[in-house]
Amino acid sequence: AQKITQTQPGMFVQEKEAVTLDCTYDTSDQSYGLFWYKQPSSGEMIFLIYQGSYDEQNATEGRYSLNFQKARKSANLVISASQLGDSAMYFCAIVRGATNKLIFGTGTLLAVQP
Amino acid sequence: NAGVTQTPKFRVLKTGQSMTLLCAQDMNHEYMYWYRQDPGMGLRLIHYSVGEGTTAKGEVPDGYNVSRLKKQNFLLGLESAAPSQTSVYFCASSLAVLYEQYFGPGTRLTVT
Repeated sequence: AQKITQTQPGMFVQEKEAVTLDCTYDTSDQSYGLFWYKQPSSGEMIFLIYQGSYDEQNATEGRYSLNFQKARKSANLVISASQLGDSAMYFCAIVRGATNKLIFGTGTLLAVQP
Repeated sequence: NAGVTQTPKFRVLKTGQSMTLLCAQDMNHEYMYWYRQDPGMGLRLIHYSVGEGTTAKGEVPDGYNVSRLKKQNFLLGLESAAPSQTSVYFCASSLAVLYEQYFGPGTRLTVT
């Protein structure tokens, strides 16, 4: 069975600093994908970044990058130059290739302080 | 381009009542999903569909039924609502496997 673990229930970061949100996963599949989603207080789910299990380079999207360490089964999200608008809940999720079902972690609540 | 829409946005039901949540997407996506989100538990998959006319069970399917009669619509039904089904329900769709899922705005359901 697949599983996502996010060990940080909450994090604080100062504005303009970088922050790393941890995510570890467990799967026996060879083909899988890892996603990060942001959920602000308004409730919508916003896609941030994707990493495929066969991708050799770490994914990047603007200020977001994914530190993918396949052997350690970790997929940490790095947010550079934090902004006040980054304050939100962040979810890591894993998907299997066959059905595209997402398994979510319990999330990390990030608070950016001015 | 509306993306993924959900109807209604809010609903209050009494125990034993039934209702249907409607999800619609205009992106011609094959895959559609229903999740529920409860405090401290992340999102959990209820049912999903890999194409028109198909449905399958997710992690927490009990008490729910779904139908995908048209490619753009995915309906979630509660036949006899229970207080344990109080939750926020999200619909999502994706183009294909290993593609990102686009989420609707959510439906907040309270069962008293």
